[in-house]
Amino acid sequence: AIRITQSPSSLSASTGDRVTITCRASQGISSYLAWYQQKPGKAPKLLIYAASTLQSGVPSRFSGSGSGTDFTLTISCLQSEDFATYYCQQYYSYHRTFGQGTKVEIK
Amino acid sequence: EVQLVESGGGLVQPGGSLRLSCAASGFTFSSYEMNWVRQAPGKGLEWVSYISSSGSTIYYADSVKGRFTISRDNAKNSLYLQMNSLRAEDTAVYYCARVAPSGDDAFDIWGQGTMVTVSS
Repeated sequence: AIRITQSPSSLSASTGDRVTITCRASQGISSYLAWYQQKPGKAPKLLIYAASTLQSGVPSRFSGSGSGTDFTLTISCLQSEDFATYYCQQYYSYHRTFGQGTKVEIK
Repeated sequence: EVQLVESGGGLVQPGGSLRLSCAASGFTFSSYEMNWVRQAPGKGLEWVSYISSSGSTIYYADSVKGRFTISRDNAKNSLYLQMNSLRAEDTAVYYCARVAPSGDDAFDIWGQGTMVTVSS
């Protein structure tokens, strides 16, 4: 199975900060990577697919980049509603795998 | 409104069985591939199983292969997960998730989840 290593596992940031989360795949996955946001007690929400395509309705402060094995999610100007846990997911293989998650907390 | 609603979770003893259901509404269910994803308490997301729109192609995570069975009834707009030989490590919230229609394979719609607790 393709392994996804996500980092950091958690970070503390302030409103207005620029935040970057990375995912590394154990083998090349082209651009078959998605990013999800999950808030406590809620289902995950799709933010970005195909590594860099913003899902409809998602604010433009979210962006994704990368291809092959290395990927990045950037939140350009952190808002209060962005404090949550973020997951990447590869769908190059039908055995989908998720990263371990990054919890974005208030500093 | 596009919606997925899971049901069927609960408390079950180790070695027991449970059947989860996911009711779809607001879209043409028969046209979409579907998945089950689970999340153990305080842990990350784990993909469990995939089924194609017709039901002809199915995949499982190694952790559930041979114990869980995914199926669907397109006439009833429903997805199912039959879980047998349950173990403590199967304790989790189980989500059904739709594969996006964009031609990409991300999961664009998720249900609210149903909790499964395996304990004696």
